[in-house]
Amino acid sequence: GAGVSQSPSNKVTEKGKDVELRCDPISGHTALYWYRQSLGQGLEFLIYFQGNSAPDKSGLPSDRFSAERTGGSVSTLTIQRTQQEDAAVYLCASSLGAGTVTYEQYFGPGTRLTVT
Amino acid sequence: GESVGLHLPTLSVQEGDNSIINCAYSNSASDYFIWYKQESGKGPQFIIDIRSNMDKRQGQRVTVLLNKTVKHLSLQIAATQPGDSAVYFCAASAGGYNKLIFGAGTRLAVHP
Repeated sequence: GAGVSQSPSNKVTEKGKDVELRCDPISGHTALYWYRQSLGQGLEFLIYFQGNSAPDKSGLPSDRFSAERTGGSVSTLTIQRTQQEDAAVYLCASSLGAGTVTYEQYFGPGTRLTVT
Repeated sequence: GESVGLHLPTLSVQEGDNSIINCAYSNSASDYFIWYKQESGKGPQFIIDIRSNMDKRQGQRVTVLLNKTVKHLSLQIAATQPGDSAVYFCAASAGGYNKLIFGAGTRLAVHP
């Protein structure tokens, strides 16, 4: 079946511009996560959505970062006024969600963000 | 804060040897642990998981060992193959809900 998809796969932006990254989770998965992976580093948690509950935004590094999840499915991560330090691979994952017996998260291929 | 760390950033092994990748976690409330494999240019892929009520779990060529006393887990790969070359991440549940804390990753290089 279809996995998690992300678009674009690569994004080059100028410093100071806004960018939007999209994630399509696996159908039926109620939980959605965004992570950031800098070169040679681990996964940095950014934000978590679970159903209609208020998202856990505790990982967002600054108020330039925001995310939405419309209709409990597609999510968009927005970075305003991009900075050099925002350059990374942004990974999206989904899971069956709260109330299930598994925490397994299924990852998309990521969006590589380059800031010039 | 919570952290999940790995003992070695890189591991080089000969094809056919067994590989052991180690991981330490800090949150004693973590009750679920998972190993992911990430190949270049791809997102992490599930390898194997284990719950805190177990100390060992086996999959195909992989075994995960959990030592809750010292908050340590390891991934063992039997008969390592070139296709196993990747970065391996461990992750531990943060407690409460489906949030995972990831380690920095270990790069496994398999040499012929």
